[in-house]
Amino acid sequence: QSVLTQPPSVSGAPGQRVTISCTGSSSNIGADYDVHWYQHLPGAAPKLLIHANNNRASGVPVRFSGSKSGTSASLAITGLQAEDEADYYCQSYDSTISASLFGGGTTLTVL
Amino acid sequence: EVQLEQSGAEVKKSGETLKISCKGSGFSFTSYWIAWVRQMPGKGLEWMGTIYPGDSETRYSPSFEGQVTISADKSINTAYLKWHSLKASDSGMYFCATDAPDSSTWYTLGAWGQGTLVTVSS
Repeated sequence: QSVLTQPPSVSGAPGQRVTISCTGSSSNIGADYDVHWYQHLPGAAPKLLIHANNNRASGVPVRFSGSKSGTSASLAITGLQAEDEADYYCQSYDSTISASLFGGGTTLTVL
Repeated sequence: EVQLEQSGAEVKKSGETLKISCKGSGFSFTSYWIAWVRQMPGKGLEWMGTIYPGDSETRYSPSFEGQVTISADKSINTAYLKWHSLKASDSGMYFCATDAPDSSTWYTLGAWGQGTLVTVSS
């Protein structure tokens, strides 16, 4: 079980908005360490979507946005498209283990 | 363009040693971190550790410290992940990744290799 907790799955219809949460603690997100988000399609390498909490990586559509508050962070996807179906991971740093870590991952299904 | 090229798939037996590689191009290899990430079959991503080739500083996840060795040869822009004694539970896909080109933190993974599949039989 990861120190960063994500819902195992979320779903939404095309065109809808979905959010994926990433809940941490006072030793990681709550300690003001930056959160990054990745998209992982089957058979491909993961791709950086959002870095430093709310900054879109180069080439990432504006439909993707990130936020952080307290001990949690969120990834929002608006105007859901079939190509968004993938696994999504948050990542941060934890001072207790002195290492970076990923959340458990969330599978997004586009209905 | 930042690129990371990983070595090919490996099939090994328990107890054997293995070293896989990750060659960087399109960026200053000595100025960015190179991390290794594991994905076991059907599971999520796991951050294993990272190295700064400029001075060989390494940082490991407690889950992997002592189990693997991360190294780099900056003369050939290549990072390595080594096992001294493989176990069947080491089977999985291994990705290298770097915080190049736009490093917001040392653990940002902005560019990834294609992955190396490691299969270990018992």
